[in-house]
Amino acid sequence: EADIYQTPRYLVIGTGKKITLECSQTMGHDKMYWYQQDPGMELHLIHYSYGVNSTEKGDLSSESTVSRIRTEHFPLTLESARPSHTSQYLCASRGDYIYNEQFFGPGTRLTVL
Amino acid sequence: DQQVKQNSPSLSVQEGRISILNCDYTNSMFDYFLWYKKYPAEGPTFLISISSIKDKNEDGRFTVFLNKSAKHLSLHIVPSQPGDSAVYFCAASVTGANNLFFGTGTRLTVIP
Repeated sequence: EADIYQTPRYLVIGTGKKITLECSQTMGHDKMYWYQQDPGMELHLIHYSYGVNSTEKGDLSSESTVSRIRTEHFPLTLESARPSHTSQYLCASRGDYIYNEQFFGPGTRLTVL
Repeated sequence: DQQVKQNSPSLSVQEGRISILNCDYTNSMFDYFLWYKKYPAEGPTFLISISSIKDKNEDGRFTVFLNKSAKHLSLHIVPSQPGDSAVYFCAASVTGANNLFFGTGTRLTVIP
C-alpha cells in the first residue's frame, strides 16, 4: 500500500486567498508529481520534481508554484486563488526503477468561490 | 491533441460477466502502459501495467492486452464484481520520461 498523503482533502475558499496544498510521502521516492483533474477529463501534469531543489513545470500551464526542500514533502501554492482554479489536485510519487508506476495520494478537491 | 483516448465514457456489465475497457493511443513512442482505478473522492490506484515487449499481462482477474500495430490496449476483468465499479484510467509513457499521459476514463458499473 502506497504511503502518500494530501491535506486538506476538501477546501472551499474565497477569491484572492493564498492557499497551500500539502503532499507528503514516506516511501523515500525522489520523483514527485502534481496533477490537475476536472470531472470527466484526463489528469494533466502541472508540476514535477526529480528530487530536492528540483522542480519543473508540466504540460498544463498553471499559476501555481511548488517547492521541494525535503524529499518527502512537495507542497503546491496558489498566491491568489480564482474560481478558474476550482479542480481536483492529485499528488503522486514513484521510485527509480524504470517501470515503476506512480502512486497517488487521495487528492484535494479545491473550490474557489 | 489528446494522445491517449478512451472513447467509451461508461460501461455497464452484469456481475460475473466479462468487462472489457478499451484505450487507444496515437504516439508510437509510448512503450509502457498502465491501468488505474479510481473511486470517487480518492486518488487513482494502480491496477496493472504492460510494456511494449509483451502483448499480454495477467494478474488475477485482470488481463491487459496490447496491440502495437493498432495502437490499442484493453483491460479485461473476469469475472466482474460489484466492487469493480469505479472509473478506470488508461495511461501511457515513454520509458525514462517523467510524464504519464492519461485518457479521460471509463466509468464501469457492475450490476449485481
